[in-house]
Amino acid sequence: NAGVTQTPKFRVLKTGQSMTLLCAQDMNHEYMYWYRQDPGMGLRLIHYSVGEGTTAKGEVPDGYNVSRLKKQNFLLGLESAAPSQTSVYFCASSTSQGRAYGYTFGSGTRLTVV
Amino acid sequence: SQKIEQNSEALNIQEGKTATLTCNYTNYSPAYLQWYRQDPGRGPVFLLLIRENEKEKRKERLKVTFDTTLKQSLFHITASQPADSATYLCALDEDTGRRALTFGSGTRLQVQP
Repeated sequence: NAGVTQTPKFRVLKTGQSMTLLCAQDMNHEYMYWYRQDPGMGLRLIHYSVGEGTTAKGEVPDGYNVSRLKKQNFLLGLESAAPSQTSVYFCASSTSQGRAYGYTFGSGTRLTVV
Repeated sequence: SQKIEQNSEALNIQEGKTATLTCNYTNYSPAYLQWYRQDPGRGPVFLLLIRENEKEKRKERLKVTFDTTLKQSLFHITASQPADSATYLCALDEDTGRRALTFGSGTRLQVQP
């Protein structure tokens, strides 16, 4: 099993450009999450989804949008990238009891906005 | 406000010794506390979790304790090896109704051969 797959792995954007990060999981997990990781800040939750067609805001949602049209996919969009969005983005998935069984993370997308 | 604190300074120990990492939290009443390992350039990997009604949990060379009175978890790696060198993150489920984990910033462990 592939687990959680994130694409792309690296990307450089110019300020104001848009892009979509794709997360795909093959474990039939109900819940999916997007986190960003910055030096000294740890992982911060951007948005999450508890099922197909549902999304919810996390700790730092501004400047991002998400969609979960299919259970296995969770998309993170940046409509107008800003340098402050330079970060490493991680997608994760879990069962509905994720807090009791742990999350599975992807390998990350390193995004640089210049 | 809710806060999770892990020692930001790297922990350096000799091979064979026990490494002890600390996770302190404030303004949480977590039902579960989880520990993850993260290697450079990789995503976090789930190691083990402990429930609020458990004092201690073991898995091979790993041991986690959970003191809800002190609001603290200790993560121990016994007989440490250079391969254990990584950053270790603790994570809590929030009591705000948000169904997602909140992570500490992690502590880097370096095991010297």
